[in-house]
Amino acid sequence: EAGVVQSPRYKIIEKKQPVAFWCNPISGHNTLYWYLQNLGQGPELLIRYENEEAVDDSQLPKDRFSAERLKGVDSTLKIQPAELGDSAVYLCASKDRKGDTGELFFGEGSRLTVL
Amino acid sequence: AQSVAQPEDQVNVAEGNPLTVKCTYSVSGNPYLFWYVQYPNRGLQFLLKYITGDNLVKGSYGFEAEFNKSQTSFHLKKPSALVSDSALYFCAVRGGGADGLTFGKGTHLIIQP
Repeated sequence: EAGVVQSPRYKIIEKKQPVAFWCNPISGHNTLYWYLQNLGQGPELLIRYENEEAVDDSQLPKDRFSAERLKGVDSTLKIQPAELGDSAVYLCASKDRKGDTGELFFGEGSRLTVL
Repeated sequence: AQSVAQPEDQVNVAEGNPLTVKCTYSVSGNPYLFWYVQYPNRGLQFLLKYITGDNLVKGSYGFEAEFNKSQTSFHLKKPSALVSDSALYFCAVRGGGADGLTFGKGTHLIIQP
């Protein structure tokens, strides 16, 4: 079974530029999460999707961050414009709602460096 | 609101010795508790979870964790450490009606040969 796939793995941009991250969850997993992991910290939830609906985006900084999951499968997280403080790892995770016991499956992450 | 505390930034253990990585939590209702491991430049990898039942949970790579409701703790343990266990370990909790996981800040485990 293929795991959660994220791209790009690494991205270096200058401040004020836009950037986008892509996530393909495990097949059949209808719950998808984007987490932010700052250096030396644990992951923090940005947004959660149930199929194509964003059911929890309370921690997403909506002035510059946006996300979509148009067909309820792949998802894209966008930052425009990027700031120096956005340098972090962006993790995507998915979960199967059937028999849900809470375990999330994570991708390798996308490491963003803003110069 | 739910929270997780990992009081040690780093734990150093000699290879072959037992190891413990500490975790305490705060959540309303019954908790779901998890341990994840993260190797450098990699995503989080699931180790084990407690949902209900036996307080001692066994997981991947010989790790186990003990749920203690009265102390609100879920410490990660292994009887004999390996150098390859060196990594960053995260404790996480789900509860209080929330769907996602709340993570601790992580503990660096360093196993010395």
